[in-house]
Amino acid sequence: DTAVSQTPKYLVTQMGNDKSIKCEQNLGHDTMYWYKQDSKKFLKIMFSYNNKELIINETVPNRFSPKSPDKAHLNLHINSLELGDSAVYFCASSQRHRTGELFFGEGSRLTVL
Amino acid sequence: AQSVAQPEDQVNVAEGNPLTVKCTYSVSGNPYLFWYVQYPNRGLQFLLKYITGDNLVKGSYGFEAEFNKSQTSFHLKKPSALVSDSALYFCAVRDVYNNNDMRFGAGTRLTVKP
Repeated sequence: DTAVSQTPKYLVTQMGNDKSIKCEQNLGHDTMYWYKQDSKKFLKIMFSYNNKELIINETVPNRFSPKSPDKAHLNLHINSLELGDSAVYFCASSQRHRTGELFFGEGSRLTVL
Repeated sequence: AQSVAQPEDQVNVAEGNPLTVKCTYSVSGNPYLFWYVQYPNRGLQFLLKYITGDNLVKGSYGFEAEFNKSQTSFHLKKPSALVSDSALYFCAVRDVYNNNDMRFGAGTRLTVKP
């Protein structure tokens, strides 16, 4: 029973297209995150949602938009995809307190051609 | 902002030898420090954390980490490395001044050779 699941695992698309990645957690956590891991394995936080409220919005392009229908789901929608968007995107969840560790999904590898 | 640094991109050790993966932190106030491991094509997995208390923290898979306030370090250690420990290791810190962001170091690739 997967704790944090994200789909699809692989996504190949053309420049200019719009795509979405879905994420669900069954841990009962109240905060969910999206991280981007680039080709050098560097992890950058993109967004987090706490009880359906955006609490972090790093300097990501507004082509990226998180959507959270409820606290168990945080989807990532990307408009007008660019080559530089190619990366692995990780969903994660935690309890929103200072000491909580993150639980990660398996990642979604996005390739923009 | 709070941050961590991993000074080594790569660590190589022989199976059965002790291993150390280094991490230093820059934090105002009390640090909340974490170690994660990432195997190829997988998500990150939590290993251990330091919040308060004993400076030696024990975690999953036989790993431990020592919090050293005077040296602002939180090095990951294991007494006897296994080939299966080969992976990418990330140190991280909760940035309590920025919405409790989990901020990661650049990662250290550990290779354990038979």
